[in-house]
Amino acid sequence: DIVMTQSPDSLAVSLGERATINCKSSQSVLYSPDNRSYLAWYQQKPGQPPRLLIYLASTRESGVPDRFSGSGSGTDFTLTISSLQAEDVAVYYCQQYYSPPYTFGQGTKLEIK
Amino acid sequence: QVHLVQSGAEVKKPGASVKVSCKASGYTFTTYAIHWVRQAPGQRLEWMGWINPVNGNTKYSQNFQDRVTITRDTSASTAYMDLTSLTSEDTAVYYCARRVSATCFDYWGQGTLVTVSS
Repeated sequence: DIVMTQSPDSLAVSLGERATINCKSSQSVLYSPDNRSYLAWYQQKPGQPPRLLIYLASTRESGVPDRFSGSGSGTDFTLTISSLQAEDVAVYYCQQYYSPPYTFGQGTKLEIK
Repeated sequence: QVHLVQSGAEVKKPGASVKVSCKASGYTFTTYAIHWVRQAPGQRLEWMGWINPVNGNTKYSQNFQDRVTITRDTSASTAYMDLTSLTSEDTAVYYCARRVSATCFDYWGQGTLVTVSS
């Protein structure tokens, strides 16, 4: 199984500042035929299902604010929130969907400083 | 618009089975795969398996291989997840989610809490 490891486990950022969450996979999730990394980012608020933010490592899902961006390829990925808003307080998960079982990171809890 | 609506919370005794449903609307049910993911208290999301609604083909996580069965009823646009031999470690919120090819899980059900307790 591909193990997904996020860092940090928790993060406190001031409103309007940048938040950066990292995700590392134990093996590459780059699919050679299309040269795309099958890595997604989700946001989960208490009592709600996860919400898809980013897919294919860097493609923003429709309706997601452009302050959210994803980068990386292969085994190392980053989710960046350029200017933190109060409504961004949540737990963020990365997920590889390159190879089943489609594993998730342990989550990063984002709070306001 | 797209909705995945799951059945209600369940309380089960150890050793029992549970069946959770996931009714899709707002799109053609047979177009996209349905996956099941669970989240135990304080734990990360855990993928359980998926079904191709066209032909009923399934694939399961080895962690659940012998205990989980995913089925569908295309006439009802509904997928089902059946988990047997429940223990307290199966206490979790169970989600269904739609996978759109390279986009991954774009729509999720609201979640079904399954509590296993004697």
